[in-house]
Amino acid sequence: SQQGEEDPQALSIQEGENATMNCSYKTSINNLQWYRQNSGRGLVHLILIRSNEREKHSGRLRVTLDTSKKSSSLLITASRAADTASYFCATDTGRRALTFGSGTRLQVQP
Amino acid sequence: NAGVTQTPKFQVLKTGQSMTLQCAQDMNHEYMSWYRQDPGMGLRLIHYSVGAGITDQGEVPNGYNVSRSTTEDFPLRLLSAAPSQTSVYFCASSRDRVYGYTFGSGTRLTVV
Repeated sequence: SQQGEEDPQALSIQEGENATMNCSYKTSINNLQWYRQNSGRGLVHLILIRSNEREKHSGRLRVTLDTSKKSSSLLITASRAADTASYFCATDTGRRALTFGSGTRLQVQP
Repeated sequence: NAGVTQTPKFQVLKTGQSMTLQCAQDMNHEYMSWYRQDPGMGLRLIHYSVGAGITDQGEVPNGYNVSRSTTEDFPLRLLSAAPSQTSVYFCASSRDRVYGYTFGSGTRLTVV
């Protein structure tokens, strides 16, 4: 079963708008990571947030982590057409390698 | 650095055939993993390794074998291909658990 589940499954917005994706997980974690996958390509690491961190920024990306609710969110500000991709959260529980969710498909309309 | 290199990029197998998917990284990463990606299901962990000589099973290991004789290489062997193994396979590596993973570009496998 998937450790992480993203919500929504699909999201369509206009260029310039903000995009928010959520991830829920089931067990305690060491860290949570977000990846982007363009169609037909491999995954690209975006950002990692440790279990003792609550918020992290990287450029136009903002990630929050709420360990009490076992949830995380990824905010992409001022979206661009080039942000069109699938976004996955992945959790490191310390027991195996990363466990991925099923992803959010983001479409940014120009 | 070439990063994570996967070969081949595409492969068609007949049911019952065996083959090896190659994965090599030149970043001296200790952690390496194999995932399969099926439509709408995200990535599922097949096998992983925390260093040369050490491998362990992931979520869906049946029908696959791995070995890690060197830090650089982590091949995935399909023992007797089945149509259910039609998927896109990704290899990934990382320096440590507190770093993100670098992914290869994938191998698209079709079993007929």
